[in-house]
Amino acid sequence: DAGVIQSPRHEVTEMGQEVTLRCKPISGHNSLFWYRQTMMRGLELLIYFNNNVPIDDSGMPEDRFSAKMPNASFSTLKIQPSEPRDSAVYFCASSWRGTGDSPLHFGNGTRLTVT
Amino acid sequence: GQQLNQSPQSMFIQEGEDVSMNCTSSSIFNTWLWYKQDPGEGPVLLIALYKAGELTSNGRLTAQFGITRKDSFLNISASIPSDVGIYFCAGQPIQGAQKLVFGQGTRLTINP
Repeated sequence: DAGVIQSPRHEVTEMGQEVTLRCKPISGHNSLFWYRQTMMRGLELLIYFNNNVPIDDSGMPEDRFSAKMPNASFSTLKIQPSEPRDSAVYFCASSWRGTGDSPLHFGNGTRLTVT
Repeated sequence: GQQLNQSPQSMFIQEGEDVSMNCTSSSIFNTWLWYKQDPGEGPVLLIALYKAGELTSNGRLTAQFGITRKDSFLNISASIPSDVGIYFCAGQPIQGAQKLVFGQGTRLTINP
């Protein structure tokens, strides 16, 4: 039973470059979440989708960040242009929302380093 | 916004000892969750609590959903080396229920 799959596991890029993080949620889950984890701020919710529709993007830091979910099995988080302060671990998570919500299941994250 | 106060921030114990950590909030939560994160991996769900007063066990782990709905604790009995990691509590608020609020984590270190 595959869990949430994220790629790449590590990304090192230079300031100003575009970065795209990818996520495949657990099959059958209808909610998808993007989190960012740093030492200073812990786990922060950036955005989440229900049935491929963005519900709340109030956690997205600024316009440089964008997320899409073109279908139920794929989502991307894009940063353009990237800055050193974007360095963090980015997690994707999914769950089932409906009769009997399921808890959140996380992927193994993408560690982003912007130099 | 809503915040969870998780304590302690870190623990250094001997193998075999019991561990206790807790989370408190000024707000009421519908659900409390406890996750464990190993280095280089995402948080993994340990225990989910859905009712005030609920006490749930998962092996050597026991967690409780506080009666006031504003707190939860996690106990680990007879700790072993693989218990090392960071433990996070998370609460599901009544409003905006899908937006989990996470505690800052408890880093557990075990001396063999």
